[in-house]
Amino acid sequence: QKEVEQDPGPLSVPEGAIVSLNCTYSNSAFQYFMWYRQYSRKGPELLMYTYSSGNKEDGRFTAQVDKSSKYISLFIRDSQPSDSATYLCAMSRGTSGSRLTFGEGTQLTVNP
Amino acid sequence: GAVVSQHPSRVICKSGTSVKIECRSLDFQATTMFWYRQFPKQSLMLMATSNEGSKATYEQGVEKDKFLINHASLTLSTLTVASAHPEDSSFYICSARDRAGGEIKQFFGPGTRLTVL
Repeated sequence: QKEVEQDPGPLSVPEGAIVSLNCTYSNSAFQYFMWYRQYSRKGPELLMYTYSSGNKEDGRFTAQVDKSSKYISLFIRDSQPSDSATYLCAMSRGTSGSRLTFGEGTQLTVNP
Repeated sequence: GAVVSQHPSRVICKSGTSVKIECRSLDFQATTMFWYRQFPKQSLMLMATSNEGSKATYEQGVEKDKFLINHASLTLSTLTVASAHPEDSSFYICSARDRAGGEIKQFFGPGTRLTVL
């Protein structure tokens, strides 16, 4: 079983829709949770970064972490065609030198 | 801030050639850099963790004699693919951990696409 599960999609939505992206995980030691956006043939770009449970909002993006359910989400409001990319969740235990564990990535297309 | 560059962005070489990829943190110091490879439509696979001034730590299954990593300064790490073969063709991405900004955030370079003929 993978430590982090993420539906690879593809997910296709109309412009303006609210997008919900999710990951589940099995390792309760994860403390830090991140969402990265990766455009085709580019490196991942850090979108959201949260510690432990709770919500974090940044513009049209909201990240939620529910540690009791081992479930994290990324919501995109008023989605735009420029949001079309692959979204990767990533997690870390947070101890010195600990690595990031990535989900498979969800491919999102926002249609104009 | 937090910009990581990679050079070259793409390289095409003949089988048996060694290829060097550079990863630089441009506006911060990175005590730790990571090297990943990514196959089409797949997630990132960590190859090795590179700490400045010490030997890299390789993930299980990654040949350290084939993927040579040098992290000579706080802003530069290099990955050399020795005697590359077609199966080494992939997208190689580095990331750097900001020394001042905490231990967790990793910032990624734009990637290097390697094609071995």
